[in-house]
Amino acid sequence: GAVVSQHPSWVICKSGTSVKIECRSLDFQATTMFWYRQFPKQSLMLMATSNEGSKATYEQGVEKDKFLINHASLTLSTLTVTSAHPEDSSFYICSAENRAGGTEAFFGQGTRLTVV
Amino acid sequence: SQQGEEDPQALSIQEGENATMNCSYKTSINNLQWYRQNSGRGLVHLILIRSNEREKHSGRLRVTLDTSKKSSSLLITASRAADTASYFCATGWGAQKLVFGQGTRLTINP
Repeated sequence: GAVVSQHPSWVICKSGTSVKIECRSLDFQATTMFWYRQFPKQSLMLMATSNEGSKATYEQGVEKDKFLINHASLTLSTLTVTSAHPEDSSFYICSAENRAGGTEAFFGQGTRLTVV
Repeated sequence: SQQGEEDPQALSIQEGENATMNCSYKTSINNLQWYRQNSGRGLVHLILIRSNEREKHSGRLRVTLDTSKKSSSLLITASRAADTASYFCATGWGAQKLVFGQGTRLTINP
């Protein structure tokens, strides 16, 4: 099956620093990737849609300058949490849509971000 | 925004019993999907049911969909300890912009 690799799986950073999370489709091309955020014991909330070669589309209430998304190739999207604060601590998960089609979303393993 | 609600929020049963989880949604859908999430991990796709289908099976999983009531159920038969996880329903158009339910935390007791 299609594999999406997300890195790092966990990260601890200091307040005010920036953290980059990578999402890679390993065996397929992903024109579109999605970034979700999940608080403990809660559901996933879509943050933004990452489009290869164009600007990301952010959901209402998500600060685009805070969460920078870059989708430079058909297999890689990155999410950078800038000037991180403790309230940014969360579980971030990406998913990818296979360019070749299909209805299944393939999810990365997630990244646990802790800001201290 | 969340599409809907799932109930129960938490379910604890004995190994071998069947587990039923329900999901409701608010808008018209093209399909509905169920995912499993082990603690602190990513999501694993379980099954997709299209809006013109009423029931679908996959191994020990049985999913029903009632578009008139905007609801779906996931039944796991003959539960195993390894089934312990959170289960989410999600609606959307294929892999696009999935909107997830609140999830059910399922615990299978040995």
